[in-house]
Amino acid sequence: ETGVTQSPTHLIKTRGQQVTLRCSSQSGHNTVSWYQQALGQGPQFIFQYYREEENGRGNFPPRFSGLQFPNYSSELNVNALELDDSALYLCASSKQGSSYNSPLHFGNGTRLTVT
Amino acid sequence: AQKITQTQPGMFVQEKEAVTLDCTYDTSDQSYGLFWYKQPSSGEMIFLIYQGSYDEQNATEGRYSLNFQKARKSANLVISASQLGDSAMYFCAMREGRGTSYGKLTFGQGTILTVHP
Repeated sequence: ETGVTQSPTHLIKTRGQQVTLRCSSQSGHNTVSWYQQALGQGPQFIFQYYREEENGRGNFPPRFSGLQFPNYSSELNVNALELDDSALYLCASSKQGSSYNSPLHFGNGTRLTVT
Repeated sequence: AQKITQTQPGMFVQEKEAVTLDCTYDTSDQSYGLFWYKQPSSGEMIFLIYQGSYDEQNATEGRYSLNFQKARKSANLVISASQLGDSAMYFCAMREGRGTSYGKLTFGQGTILTVHP
C-alpha cells in the first residue's frame, strides 16, 4: 500500500508571503491531520479534515487553513507568513471509524523556512 | 498544564543494553490511548507501540515494551538490546476520548536517545 506522501520536502519563503503544502493520504484512509513541529519540540496539532471539512482544530490562528479533496488528499495553506512559522510540517492520515488504537501514519514532512 | 511530560531531554545507552524512556500524562478522560513514536534525523515519524487505558497487560512489540502504570499516569517505553539504529528522537503521545478525534494526538517534548557502540 502507498504511504503518506508530502510535497515539497523543503521550502524557503519570505515573511508576509503565502505557502501551500500538499499531502496524499495513505490508501484507504479518509482523515488527514496536520502538525507543526518547531525545532527541538514535539509536533503540535493544527487541524484535522474528514469528509472535506475541518472537524478539529488546535491553537492556531485563522491564517492557517486547509482543504481536503474527494480523493482524501489535503493542502495546508499559511497566509502572511511569520518567522515563527519556520518548522517541519507533518501530515498524518488515519481512517475514521477504525479501532481506537489505530496509530496515525505520518509523511516525511515539509521543512518550511521563513526569512 | 502539560498533558504529556517527558522529563529526559537526552539519554545515552550502550549498545545491547536496555533503556527506559519516561512519559507521564494528564487527562480526565477514562478512555485514552498512549503511543510512542520514533523520529530519526530524516524527520519521519515511525509508530512503535500503543497502550490503551483499558488494557490490563503491558503492550509489547518486539524489542519495545511499555511499562504502563495507570494510577501513576505513566507510560514508560523500554527498549531492550539497544542497537545503533535506535539513535533518534522518541515521542510519547496521547489520544483522548472517543468519537471523531482520531487525527489528534498530543505529543510530549521528546527524548533524544543516543546509542554508543
